[in-house]
Amino acid sequence: GENVEQHPSTLSVQEGDSAVIKCTYSDSASNYFPWYKQELGKRPQLIIDIRSNVGEKKDQRIAVTLNKTAKHFSLHITETQPEDSAVYFCAASYFGNEKLTFGTGTRLTIIP
Amino acid sequence: GAGVSQSPRYKVAKRGQDVALRCDPISGHVSLFWYQQALGQGPEFLTYFQNEAQLDKSGLPSDRFFAERPEGSVSTLKIQRTQQEDSAVYLCASSSPTGEENYGYTFGSGTRLTVV
Repeated sequence: GENVEQHPSTLSVQEGDSAVIKCTYSDSASNYFPWYKQELGKRPQLIIDIRSNVGEKKDQRIAVTLNKTAKHFSLHITETQPEDSAVYFCAASYFGNEKLTFGTGTRLTIIP
Repeated sequence: GAGVSQSPRYKVAKRGQDVALRCDPISGHVSLFWYQQALGQGPEFLTYFQNEAQLDKSGLPSDRFFAERPEGSVSTLKIQRTQQEDSAVYLCASSSPTGEENYGYTFGSGTRLTVV
């Protein structure tokens, strides 16, 4: 089955700086890669996703890049703000099977 | 409804007790998923329904876990003879795929189960 690894497990960034979280996956058939943000005690919320037919996707301060050859994808947050502090999870799945395999999460702390 | 609704929000069960967790997905969402999230971990897949059909139950940890969605809307996850290792947050999610592409899930707020 699919295995998703996520790094780093914790990340502290000065407010206004950029944050990068990286994930690798094992199953070359995977073609859908979402990112979820989970604040303490709350539900995971989808913040951005990418499909394997594109290499990069942006939404305001958030971007995701995908390298299918290397089987890794990354989340980039620019101009970080205190409200970006949360746990971020990457995930992977493939067409015909909506089951998501999640990474172990990155606790992002924005230092004011 | 406006979102995925789960109940109860918190459940404390004595070891050996049976529990039932409810999920009410977004109206019209065909697909429904159950995930288990242990403290400090990512969600782990339990089972998946498309309408009333349970298409994948490969993640259910033992035969003490059972899920159903008899009318293709509300789903119930039942855990029999609860054990301490069952303590976790149980997340339900729904999505509305066309059958051609995956779509992002909408998660519920989860049920935090504590077995004492």
